[in-house]
Amino acid sequence: NAGVTQTPKFQVLKTGQSMTLQCAQDMNHNSMYWYRQDPGMGLRLIYYSASEGTTDKGEVPNGYNVSRLNKREFSLRLESAAPSQTSVYFCASKLREDGSNQPQHFGDGTRLSIL
Amino acid sequence: AQSVAQPEDQVNVAEGNPLTVKCTYSVSGNPYLFWYVQYPNRGLQFLLKYITGDNLVKGSYGFEAEFNKSQTSFHLKKPSALVSDSALYFCAVRDGGVLTGGGNKLTFGTGTQLKVEL
Repeated sequence: NAGVTQTPKFQVLKTGQSMTLQCAQDMNHNSMYWYRQDPGMGLRLIYYSASEGTTDKGEVPNGYNVSRLNKREFSLRLESAAPSQTSVYFCASKLREDGSNQPQHFGDGTRLSIL
Repeated sequence: AQSVAQPEDQVNVAEGNPLTVKCTYSVSGNPYLFWYVQYPNRGLQFLLKYITGDNLVKGSYGFEAEFNKSQTSFHLKKPSALVSDSALYFCAVRDGGVLTGGGNKLTFGTGTQLKVEL
C-alpha cells in the first residue's frame, strides 16, 4: 500500500527558480490537498482539489499554483521561488470533500530550501 | 472562523506514567475533532476522531481523547507512556455545521512535541 507518494523528498532551489512538487495517491480518493508546515505554525492549507477538475485556494495560496492532472495526481508549482517559501510541503488525500468526518491521509513530505 | 489551540509546545513524561496533550477549539457549529501524530521525517498519521456520541474516544496505539463540550477541549491521553510515543502531536478541527466542501477545511493546531524518557 503506497498511499500518498510525494516527489522529490528533498530539494534546494535558488531564488527565482521554478519547480513542481508531485503528489499521487492510489486510494481512489476524490479530494486532495497541499499544506506547508513551518515551525510553530502547524500546517497551513495552500490549495485543495475537492474533486477531479476543480481546485480552490486555501489559507496561503500566494506564490503557488496547482494542477489536478487526473484523479490520482495533484501537483504544486512554485513559479518564482522565494526564501519565504522554504518549508516542508505535505500532500494529503481524502475520500471526498463533503463535510464528512473521514480523516486525511498524508504523504511523507517534500523538504524545500530556497537560497 | 474556526481555531485550535495547543497551549504546550512540549510535554515531557517518564515511561510508564500517564500522559496528556492538551487541545482547545473554537467553532460556530458542532466540532469534528481529530488527533494526528507525526514521527520525524514522516507525514501525519491519523490517531482518532470525535464526531458525536461518547465523550471518550479510543484510537490507535492505546491513545484516547476526552471531548468536553463545556470547556471546548479535546485532550489526548494515554494511561502508560512508551518511549516510542515520542513524536509531534497535532489537534485539528472542522466545523461540522458546514455541509459543503467549500471553505470547510481542517484547521490544525501548532503541534505539541511529546518526549517520553526512561
